[in-house]
Amino acid sequence: QAVLTQPSSLSASPGASASLTCTLRSGISVATCWIYWYQQKPGSPPQYLLRYKSDSDKQQGSGVPSRFSGSKDASANAGILLISGLQSEDEADYYCLIWHSSAWVFGGGTKLTVL
Amino acid sequence: EVQLVESGGGLVQPGGCLRLSCAASGFTFSTYSMNWVRQAPGKGLEWVSYITYSGSTYYADSVRGRFTISRDNAKSSLHLQMNSLTAEDTAVYYCATSPPSSSGSYGPDHWGQGTPVTVSS
Repeated sequence: QAVLTQPSSLSASPGASASLTCTLRSGISVATCWIYWYQQKPGSPPQYLLRYKSDSDKQQGSGVPSRFSGSKDASANAGILLISGLQSEDEADYYCLIWHSSAWVFGGGTKLTVL
Repeated sequence: EVQLVESGGGLVQPGGCLRLSCAASGFTFSTYSMNWVRQAPGKGLEWVSYITYSGSTYYADSVRGRFTISRDNAKSSLHLQMNSLTAEDTAVYYCATSPPSSSGSYGPDHWGQGTPVTVSS
């Protein structure tokens, strides 16, 4: 079982909200983890969006709009990236990341389509 | 402004070696941990290696024993020596900064544009 599992794709309409999940493998508690989120568009390097540990311990990347926000769902053992007011330019691949067992681990990525 | 410029990529035969470099500017290099992350064609991101500001090193299982990460704080540069290359190492290789935190370092934030590596005969 992968350390981090992300849905491979997600579609949403312009103006709507999209909730991207990053589920941690059983035995790894989301409660103690920093969850990092990245956006990548074709032909470009990843862009750091934000990191989230708790509502009092989080950081937005420089220049990243506030409509990108992080949270956790403890019951699902998952990190969440919420994108509100979807715009066409939000169409991209999104990756989550954690530090686990002395290694950085990326999720497999979610391709977000805005249509 | 943080700038990271990778170099050294190219075409190499299976079993060959390559040394990647990353020239850093716009921040105090010696206080940042640094990463190499790769992306195979059409695939997701894969973390490769990490070196802390103090010189401790970490590797993904897929490259441990073949790749060596190093840094030159005097020249604000990061390197990745890659030996015994296989087709599975074909990817764009990115360097990325990990800013300092109160207990070590945070995850990657600034990224370079990447340098492509192709392993093929």
